[in-house]
Amino acid sequence: DTEVTQTPKHLVMGMTNKKSLKCEQHMGHRAMYWYKQKAKKPPELMFVYSYEKLSINESVPSRFSPECPNSSLLNLHLHALQPEDSALYLCASSQDRAGDEKLFFGSGTQLSVL
Amino acid sequence: GENVGLHLPTLSVQEGDNSIINCAYSNSASDYFIWYKQESGKGPQFIIDIRSNMDKRQGQRVTVLLNKTVKHLSLQIAATQPGDSAVYFCADYSSASKIIFGSGTRLSIRP
Repeated sequence: DTEVTQTPKHLVMGMTNKKSLKCEQHMGHRAMYWYKQKAKKPPELMFVYSYEKLSINESVPSRFSPECPNSSLLNLHLHALQPEDSALYLCASSQDRAGDEKLFFGSGTQLSVL
Repeated sequence: GENVGLHLPTLSVQEGDNSIINCAYSNSASDYFIWYKQESGKGPQFIIDIRSNMDKRQGQRVTVLLNKTVKHLSLQIAATQPGDSAVYFCADYSSASKIIFGSGTRLSIRP
């Protein structure tokens, strides 16, 4: 299994809603990532978890709250988002060891905030 | 190429010709580079990677060249096919354990 699975594929939410994005991988990877991608732009790193601990937070607003329940799962909890947060949210995983850093990406969740 | 405003640089190539996509990086500490392909509605897909102790690496129909002197990376696709249409990103990895993406190039194939 070489897949990273993200759900839902599409999400529309209001600014007062609370929702969660989910990501799962069964490749035995120990690092998981959230990236945000606006249209016609490259993915931008948001968070990195290494061995289930948050290792990097790229100064992301607190309305985005990541969670890593175990080494296979990664969630992104959303609350009080703004319309400018509408984007494609990509999850990725990697082995997180020297010599094998490449990321495997899911297909993303296309988020629209109304 | 440079990402100007909201427009991705675009490369248009005749089917069957070779494509060359360029990327400049700025971090001298980067020691690992990756090319990704992103098709519409999908996440980035790994194509090929190269470490800073190498100048060239070849895969199936793809070659990556690295020039550390001028901090330049290129992806060469041989005999370009319609299925190669996508946005291509270079990404680099530094000791900060981050993989950071460049601005991307859209490759379109003319029949």
